[in-house]
Amino acid sequence: DAGVIQSPRHEVTEMGQEVTLRCKPISGHDYLFWYRQTMMRGLELLIYFNNNVPIDDSGMPEDRFSAKMPNASFSTLKIQPSEPRDSAVYFCASSPRQAAKQYFGPGTRLTVT
Amino acid sequence: AQTVTQSQPEMSVQEAETVTLSCTYDTSESNYYLFWYKQPPSRQMILVIRQEAYKQQNATENRFSVNFQKAAKSFSLKISDSQLGDTAMYFCAFMPNFGNEKLTFGTGTRLTIIP
Repeated sequence: DAGVIQSPRHEVTEMGQEVTLRCKPISGHDYLFWYRQTMMRGLELLIYFNNNVPIDDSGMPEDRFSAKMPNASFSTLKIQPSEPRDSAVYFCASSPRQAAKQYFGPGTRLTVT
Repeated sequence: AQTVTQSQPEMSVQEAETVTLSCTYDTSESNYYLFWYKQPPSRQMILVIRQEAYKQQNATENRFSVNFQKAAKSFSLKISDSQLGDTAMYFCAFMPNFGNEKLTFGTGTRLTIIP
């Protein structure tokens, strides 16, 4: 198994631009998670899906952030418009069932200048 | 809301020694799950160990074991015979009971194993 795949691994963009981060979960996993990691706030859960349905998006910082999961093998996290304070590492993770181990992807390092 | 506290920002030990990382949490739940994740310099998050609160027996995974004290809301990680590859950030995390998959992480402990 290839594990959780995220793209791009690094993204540098200018303030105001739209950014789209992509994630392919492990095949057969029912849950998909988006996390953000910063020095100031640590690791935070942004949103998670169960069987492609968003369950908890209380961690999404504001309306500029949106996440979709159109099918079981693909999810996107979009920021529009981006701001410098969005600079962080964004992780996608998946898990096969409730309360199970979450498998993390390698992360996308986003820099907004 | 649940909180997870890791009071040791940094620790270092000699290779082959034993080290214990502390974690405390606050919750009103009676059933929940606790985790330790490792993040080496590669940035990859890796599960080290998982504990179910309703199980009294402490979880173990090879050189890694936990001391789970439910009444004290304490969940420490012990690494025995430490190796250079154990150098990483270690995060304690809390998940509420069945049906809520939201993981809350502590701020992490940076562990350095000295050759």
